[in-house]
Amino acid sequence: DVKVTQSSRYLVKRTGEKVFLECVQDMDHENMFWYRQDPGLGLRLIYFSYDVKMKEKGDIPEGYSVSREKKERFSLILESASTNQTSMYLCASSGTGPSPLHFGNGTRLTVT
Amino acid sequence: GENVEQHPSTLSVQEGDSAVIKCTYSDSASNYFPWYKQELGKRPQLIIDIRSNVGEKKDQRIAVTLNKTAKHFSLHITETQPEDSAVYFCAASKRDDKIIFGKGTRLHILP
Repeated sequence: DVKVTQSSRYLVKRTGEKVFLECVQDMDHENMFWYRQDPGLGLRLIYFSYDVKMKEKGDIPEGYSVSREKKERFSLILESASTNQTSMYLCASSGTGPSPLHFGNGTRLTVT
Repeated sequence: GENVEQHPSTLSVQEGDSAVIKCTYSDSASNYFPWYKQELGKRPQLIIDIRSNVGEKKDQRIAVTLNKTAKHFSLHITETQPEDSAVYFCAASKRDDKIIFGKGTRLHILP
């Protein structure tokens, strides 16, 4: 069974802090994704990666960056956290595509 | 880029009745259409998917239909049960491209 693990379930950070959200998958999936989920807005794609050291912008990349140094790990970075980045962040992975996404449990980030 | 519209945003049906959720997509090159169910406090999970080479797929009480010409696809749930209450998301994708979701439908099953 595919396991996608996000390092934190809840996180509280202050405005201006640099924030790292970590995601690890154990199924040797090529593809990894970061989404944010807000009420009424659904799941919006921030960044995705189809290979190590490769990244592509999603629909809302502003204020975020990513890192994929190893195939199993995909990190989301908030360079300078702002209150409008308070949200639920979901990491997902999939095999060679298009194919089903497997989601992590999510990280609820609050920026104060 | 791809845009996915989903309707309705909220749906209430009597237990035992059928529920239908509809989605449209904009990119005619999209060829993969999954549906995810998200229960309260849990991660989204795939419930059914369809590829563009078929028009309909069924799995017990759940079915999905695809109309490529009109660029729309629908989720049908028959004989609804209380455990069907959740938020449902449709999505569209093409090979080596991003997976774009609709905004979701909150389904309430009324006793």
